[in-house]
Amino acid sequence: KQEVTQIPAALSVPEGENLVLNCSFTDSAIYNLQWFRQDPGKGLTSLLLIQSSQREQTSGRLNASLDKSSGRSTLYIAASQPGDSATYLCAVRPGDAGNMLTFGGGTRLMVKP
Amino acid sequence: DAGITQSPRYKITETGRQVTLMCHQTWSHSYMFWYRQDLGHGLRLIYYSAAADITDKGEVPDGYVVSRSKTENFPLTLESATRSQTSVYFCASSPRVDLYGYTFGSGTRLTVV
Repeated sequence: KQEVTQIPAALSVPEGENLVLNCSFTDSAIYNLQWFRQDPGKGLTSLLLIQSSQREQTSGRLNASLDKSSGRSTLYIAASQPGDSATYLCAVRPGDAGNMLTFGGGTRLMVKP
Repeated sequence: DAGITQSPRYKITETGRQVTLMCHQTWSHSYMFWYRQDLGHGLRLIYYSAAADITDKGEVPDGYVVSRSKTENFPLTLESATRSQTSVYFCASSPRVDLYGYTFGSGTRLTVV
């Protein structure tokens, strides 16, 4: 059974820092991986989707990388801002193209002004 | 309004009652999903639908019923609510799960007393 782990569970950084959030998964046979953002009391917002054949995806200050063989993905946030404060979740889709995403527990990020 | 909307936003119900959570999307996305989010368990898939009249079980389907007579609607019914079904429920949609990320609704916070 696929297991997805996100470390650290919580992170607090001063504004302006570059930071890396980690996501690891136990079964490397994935179809794709997504990063989401969740604000308190809100739904999830899709940030980046990386296909299994890709190494990275970029959107603005966000860069997500994928190393499928080692079962790891990282989300890099450049020049962090207080508005980046949220919980970040990664989710993997199984390699058999099934529709059951497996989510990590999330990293709660706080960016202090 | 364009997007994916869930109703009600909050619901309190009694054990044993039937309750239906609504999900409506305006994009004609083929895929729709119901997740529940609980502390300690993260997000878990309840049911999903690949198209109108096609539904399938997810990880935790027991006690829930879904239907999809129209592409834009995907209601979730708790046939006889139990306290263990107290949770935040999220609906999501995607036009193609292999190429696109998921769009989530804002969630329904359900309390069963």
